[in-house]
Amino acid sequence: GAVVSQHPSRVICKSGTSVKIECRSLDFQATTMFWYRQFPKQSLMLMATSNEGSKATYEQGVEKDKFLINHASLTLSTLTVTSAHPEDSSFYICSASDRGLSSQHFGDGTRLSIL
Amino acid sequence: QQQVKQSPQSLIVQKGGISIINCAYENTAFDYFPWYQQFPGKGPALLIAIRPDVSEKKEGRFTISFNKSAKQFSLHIMDSQPGDSATYFCAASIRAGFQKLVFGTGTRLLVSP
Repeated sequence: GAVVSQHPSRVICKSGTSVKIECRSLDFQATTMFWYRQFPKQSLMLMATSNEGSKATYEQGVEKDKFLINHASLTLSTLTVTSAHPEDSSFYICSASDRGLSSQHFGDGTRLSIL
Repeated sequence: QQQVKQSPQSLIVQKGGISIINCAYENTAFDYFPWYQQFPGKGPALLIAIRPDVSEKKEGRFTISFNKSAKQFSLHIMDSQPGDSATYFCAASIRAGFQKLVFGTGTRLLVSP
């Protein structure tokens, strides 16, 4: 149980492109979803927290106009990296939780490479 | 105060040995302490978690020891296997699940055959 699916697993695109990453909870309703960014050999850095039906809360230093988050349903959240540039290349990971769950459950991440 | 300090940064253990990873925190409001295992190119997977009302929790070969007064907790992997080679992250949060996690810096474990 508590499976989180993230898509795509890898994306390579040109600078200036906008990229959308989907995060789905497959067998539970995700009241809250989290988006993280992870650089090679580093820890996970929380970017934002989203609750279904409300605006995301962004961590300090994260540009909300750059990283658009939509949590329109209890099973789907999307992260759109707008006008992506090479410095946005990273491993993006989502997690999801329901109030009945004891912890966050993570997707398998999306490797984003901007050329 | 929001930091979770993790050590060592990397660890090499022989097959069959015990792997020990330590974490320390400052915020006494933290009341949920999970450990995650991450393989390259994958998201973290929950291994085991503990709350501060118990001093130890064991699940199979994995044990968390928790010292509330010292604000420290550790992960012990008994009979370490090459398949345990991964990066391990400790974390802490105020209330489980839907509250944001503060992660440690990670420990890269290599279990040699």
